[in-house]
Amino acid sequence: GIQVEQSPPDLILQEGANSTLRCNFSDSVNNLQWFHQNPWGQLINLFYIPSGTKQNGRLSATTVATERYSLLYISSSQTTDSGVYFCAGILTGGGNKLTFGTGTQLKVEL
Amino acid sequence: DGGITQSPKYLFRKEGQNVTLSCEQNLNHDAMYWYRQDPGQGLRLIYYSQIVNDFQKGDIAEGYSVSREKKESFPLTVTSAQKNPTAFYLCASSSEGFYGYTFGSGTRLTVV
Repeated sequence: GIQVEQSPPDLILQEGANSTLRCNFSDSVNNLQWFHQNPWGQLINLFYIPSGTKQNGRLSATTVATERYSLLYISSSQTTDSGVYFCAGILTGGGNKLTFGTGTQLKVEL
Repeated sequence: DGGITQSPKYLFRKEGQNVTLSCEQNLNHDAMYWYRQDPGQGLRLIYYSQIVNDFQKGDIAEGYSVSREKKESFPLTVTSAQKNPTAFYLCASSSEGFYGYTFGSGTRLTVV
């Protein structure tokens, strides 16, 4: 199956700072998603972004499928942004099965 | 509101027991999935179902079983054959056109 690598594995920010999280995948994917897992374990879908750029408030994401990477931008970070960010992709021809990366653990401090 | 409901939130199992985790969705999604998450790790696929009465093994199906008798329901049984069942279990669903996954809030299973 595909391999999904995320970087950095851990990140500590001061409130108000900006950050970029990266997701590299080993093979071609039809779809890519970004999720945020809050401290209670709930996974929230942030973006469904097979290609191009999308923005939602302080968050935006860009996927360049031909170069096999996706970026998640967090601007003006807040303590509520803390948690784990996962990217996940579906291998071309793999139905709807998502393969997850190991995540980026983000902590935003006051 | 449409969504996925997992129950219970916390579950304790004795050695040698089978336990069943519930997952119900009212999103009219065709596909449903079970993932396992260990501390500090990503999610690994246990089983998935793309249509009623049909399901396939994921990457770590040993020691687990599922059924899909109704579109809305996809229960997961953790059997005594699963040697290390303590984990966080997440259920998800997606529509046929696939515009992303929706996850439930999870069940934390602990062996005592």
